[in-house]
Amino acid sequence: QSALTQPPSASGSPGQSVTISCTGTSSDVGAYNYVSWYQQHPGKAPKLMIYEVRKRPSGVPDRFSGSKSGNTASLTVSGLQAEDEADYYCSSYGGSNRYYVFGTGTKVTVL
Amino acid sequence: EVQLVESGGGLVQPGGSLRLSCIVSGFTFSNYEMDWVRQAPGKGLEWVSYISSSGSGKYYAESVKGRFTISRDNARNSLYLQMNSLSAEDTAFYYCARDGGTWNNDYWGQGTLVTVSS
Repeated sequence: QSALTQPPSASGSPGQSVTISCTGTSSDVGAYNYVSWYQQHPGKAPKLMIYEVRKRPSGVPDRFSGSKSGNTASLTVSGLQAEDEADYYCSSYGGSNRYYVFGTGTKVTVL
Repeated sequence: EVQLVESGGGLVQPGGSLRLSCIVSGFTFSNYEMDWVRQAPGKGLEWVSYISSSGSGKYYAESVKGRFTISRDNARNSLYLQMNSLSAEDTAFYYCARDGGTWNNDYWGQGTLVTVSS
């Protein structure tokens, strides 16, 4: 149950866009459209931002968008705002044994 | 308002046991699958265990299989995690989380800290 691979860090200036990648395998990210993204501020619980690759829960700004190509999923944050500075984690379903795996996490810094 | 409140964390010696609880409100607990997810201090998220809405289906991460047991009491709106044979590698914040239905967690508790140390 190896973790999905994310870059350790990403950054952008206010108003710019930042894209975070999440690389898995043909057994998890590549096999299912069940990729989710979570935002976590320091000392807080994670918050669901994207589910089923590209769907946004109610209340999540449309500045957050998700996509997938092959074994790699991506989260794009457009129009960066100061409050977007946080850790972001992807996750994916991996099949038969209810194998559920998170990414290694990416720290997004708003410059 | 959906709320999940964990309890039961604390300091335990290596080899010891601990039982975590999660009491939920604001939704029909018996309709939802649930997960436990943990996060070692300063580290990333790790899925620990899943339980179906009825409690009949259970899955565990390899790192805890055979040592941890997930259970639920739908009448009490409560989720549990029995943790045995604890080691330092189990030190983490433990979150209970509602399963949104397609392998995502749409609501999380605030977490409870488990520290395994002598």
